[in-house]
Amino acid sequence: EVQLVESGGGLVQPGGSLRLSCAVSGFTVSRTYMTWVRQAPGKGLEWVSVIYTGGTTSYADSVKARFTISRDNSKNTLFLEMNSLRPEDTAVYYCARVGQWLARDYFDSWGQGTLVSVSS
Amino acid sequence: QLVLTQSPSASASLGASVKLTCTLNSGHSSNAIAWHQQQPEKGPRYLMKVNNDGRHVKGDGVPDRFSGSSSGAERYLTISSLQSEDEGDYYCQTWVTGMHWVFGGGTKLTVL
Repeated sequence: EVQLVESGGGLVQPGGSLRLSCAVSGFTVSRTYMTWVRQAPGKGLEWVSVIYTGGTTSYADSVKARFTISRDNSKNTLFLEMNSLRPEDTAVYYCARVGQWLARDYFDSWGQGTLVSVSS
Repeated sequence: QLVLTQSPSASASLGASVKLTCTLNSGHSSNAIAWHQQQPEKGPRYLMKVNNDGRHVKGDGVPDRFSGSSSGAERYLTISSLQSEDEGDYYCQTWVTGMHWVFGGGTKLTVL
């Protein structure tokens, strides 16, 4: 059974840092594309970052140079290191697996999310 | 720039059917899209991916009541025999070069 379980969210002051984790079971993180998606309170979904099978990463403009996505293959875990946090980063953060039917243009599994609140 | 357009809200009666629409803007009408369901206070759930030719692949455990189809730049999610647990937000999603993965604004479905 595929499972994605996020952790690490919490309350942090503007300018602070936080590290999110996504523990995966049922598949191998290094063999697929893995992403982070966020959802601000009362808002829609926003793609944040991706790590490809080869280790290459990419980010939305809104978080570029502040967030870093990575994975630990031995622990089958995905991470999101968030620095220089701003109030507008307040959101529930979800990890998601990129699907592979015909093209890698969609997400086919999601975690339950972890809440990040940036406030003084 | 790719834009996915969804109606903000929809409603239908218990036991009835409803058809949700996701529209791709000009120049992207051949894109496949995925549908995701988000029940209140829960994380998103992948329902299905719908190709421009109407072929679709569902997620594990998605009931047969959920089906997908396509016409031109529009992608549809039809839910039949509506149940109370179908209430929630429905998002469409696709991928575009330079923008990576993008989402529509979501449709809030109310089951009357």
